[in-house]
Amino acid sequence: ELKVEQNPLFLSMQEGKNYTIYCNYSTTSDRLYWYRQDPGKSLESLFVLLSNGAVKQEGRLMASLDTKARLSTLHITAAVHDLSATYFCAVDIGSGGSNYKLTFGKGTLLTVNP
Amino acid sequence: NAGVTQTPKFRILKIGQSMTLQCTQDMNHNYMYWYRQDPGMGLKLIYYSVGAGITDKGEVPNGYNVSRSTTEDFPLRLELAAPSQTSVYFCASSLGGLQYFGAGTRLSVL
Repeated sequence: ELKVEQNPLFLSMQEGKNYTIYCNYSTTSDRLYWYRQDPGKSLESLFVLLSNGAVKQEGRLMASLDTKARLSTLHITAAVHDLSATYFCAVDIGSGGSNYKLTFGKGTLLTVNP
Repeated sequence: NAGVTQTPKFRILKIGQSMTLQCTQDMNHNYMYWYRQDPGMGLKLIYYSVGAGITDKGEVPNGYNVSRSTTEDFPLRLELAAPSQTSVYFCASSLGGLQYFGAGTRLSVL
């Protein structure tokens, strides 16, 4: 059974600081997704990582994937208040029986304080 | 540019009542999924479908049923609602890979 663990689950940061959210998973996969969820809202796709060594950047967020270590990171640079949200990683072991089902981590609640 | 549309947005049910949560997508995606999200627990897969007429159970299917008669629609049926089914329900669709989510249905069973 695929397990996906995120840490930390809660993160309180000051504006301007840097931090990293980690996502570990238990089964071989090279398909990982990061989503953002604002309170009371749906999930918005941030990054799609589809190969070992993949790195994607959007604004102050950068995501990477190391399939050998079964680890993805979401790095936040010079945090601003607008980044406050819950961030989920989700792993997909592809077809061949899984039918592209996603297994989600529990999410990291990020609060950026002035 | 509707994407994935869920109705209703909010609903309160009494214990033992039944209801259907509607989900429609206009992206011609083969794959559709129903999740529930409980506080602090991430998303758990209830049922999924790989195409019209084909559905299968996910991680937490008990108390729910689905059907997929068309590519666009994937309704979720709750029979005999229980307090444990109080949750936020999300429908999603994909071509195989990145999933696109609806706005969610917030359900309370009292």
